[in-house]
Amino acid sequence: AQSVTQLDSHVSVSEGTPVLLRCNYSSSYSPSLFWYVQHPNKGLQLLLKYTSAATLVKGINGFEAEFKKSETSFHLTKPSAHMSDAAEYFCVTSSGSARQLTFGSGTQLTVLP
Amino acid sequence: DAGITQSPRYKITETGRQVTLMCHQTWSHSYMFWYRQDLGHGLRLIYYSAAADITDKGEVPDGYVVSRSKTENFPLTLESATRSQTSVYFCASGTGGGYVETQYFGPGTRLLVL
Repeated sequence: AQSVTQLDSHVSVSEGTPVLLRCNYSSSYSPSLFWYVQHPNKGLQLLLKYTSAATLVKGINGFEAEFKKSETSFHLTKPSAHMSDAAEYFCVTSSGSARQLTFGSGTQLTVLP
Repeated sequence: DAGITQSPRYKITETGRQVTLMCHQTWSHSYMFWYRQDLGHGLRLIYYSAAADITDKGEVPDGYVVSRSKTENFPLTLESATRSQTSVYFCASGTGGGYVETQYFGPGTRLLVL
C-alpha cells in the first residue's frame, strides 16, 4: 500500500525566509503525490500535484515541490514565506480504483513576523 | 457556483443518538468521499462512492452508514454516536478519471459527541 510520511509536525520560519516542508513516500511503483493546504477552520485546497511529466512541480502561491525517486521524497518549498502561508500542510498520495487519498499526518507551518 | 457544501457546519449531540451529516456538490462529479480529521492522524477515509447507488468502505468505516441515491448528495449517518466519533468531517468530490485526479473538499463539519 502507498503511504506518505511527513517528517516534521511543526515548522516555524520568519517572514521572508525560505520554507521547507518534508515528505517521504513509500511506493513500489510511480506514485501520485499531492500537497494540500488547510487554513484555520477552512477546507482543504490543492497546492500542487506530481504528474510525472516533470520532477519539479510548480503550484499556487509560489510553492513548488521536487520529486526525487532516489530519495523517495517530495518536499515542498517556497523561497520567501508570507504571513498568509501560516496553515497546515498535508502531503498526500492516491491509490485504488477511486483514487482514494491517503494523507500524511500534517505539518503546521508558523510564520513569525 | 456553490461547489461542494456541507451541513450542518457545527453539531453537538449525545452518545447514542443518530446524526446525519449532509454533503452536496454541484459539479456532477462521479466520485464522492467522506473523511474524518483527528489530531495526529491527518485525514482518514471513511466511505466513498463511485456513482449513485455504489458505495464502498474506506479505512475507518465502523459506526458509519452512507447512501447515495442522487449523484449530487452523499449523506453520512452515525447510527449511534460515540465519543470517539468526535471529529471534523470533510466531504470531497472528484471525477475519478485519472492518475492525478484532484479532489475538491467541502468546508467541513465539526461534530462533538458528549
